[in-house]
Amino acid sequence: QKEVEQNSGPLSVPEGAIASLNCTYSDRVSQSFFWYRQYSGKSPELIMSIYSNGDKEDGRFTAQLNKASQYVSLLIRDSQPSDSATYLCAVKGRSGGGADGLTFGKGTHLIIQP
Amino acid sequence: EPEVTQTPSHQVTQMGQEVILRCVPISNHLYFYWYRQILGQKVEFLVSFYNNEISEKSEIFDDQFSVERPDGSNFTLKIRSTKLEDSAMYFCASSVGSLDPSSYNEQFFGPGTRLTVL
Repeated sequence: QKEVEQNSGPLSVPEGAIASLNCTYSDRVSQSFFWYRQYSGKSPELIMSIYSNGDKEDGRFTAQLNKASQYVSLLIRDSQPSDSATYLCAVKGRSGGGADGLTFGKGTHLIIQP
Repeated sequence: EPEVTQTPSHQVTQMGQEVILRCVPISNHLYFYWYRQILGQKVEFLVSFYNNEISEKSEIFDDQFSVERPDGSNFTLKIRSTKLEDSAMYFCASSVGSLDPSSYNEQFFGPGTRLTVL
């Protein structure tokens, strides 16, 4: 049974600070990892994808992957009130191909305080 | 920016009735998916679909569920006899798709259909 674990929060961060979101996964052979943002009542919106160990940066967002520790994280720099949302970690299965469904964590509720 | 669309946005039905949820995936995408999210819970994978057949399905996707690509654009999820516990948001997603395991195969979600079973 594949599991993805996230701290549900809420995680409260002052505006302009760095928000750090963490995720662990159970299936050691997982290939691809994704961060989605979900506003209340809305659908998941893809923010970042990462496949290789290390860091991947896109604007204010940095995803970090450590396959040995089965750990994925998302850093949000210069946090804005509009970043307040639930952040979902998702893991793709062992084949890595298009057929695999994503396994989602429950999400971390992030609140950016003005 | 191309996007996945879904209709209807909200469907109310009586227990035991059949419902069909519709999706139009992004036009050049080859893989299609259905997920559901019960209120307050995590997003759960139901099924993936490629080349007009099911590629993978979860334990949730039992005989009450079916999927179909009736034409070149639509992708549907049918629930034959709805139960109270089928009440949820249903999301359609699509990806370009690749057999290369190094590909991200990013999945893009539609806005969802809220299904309410009374």
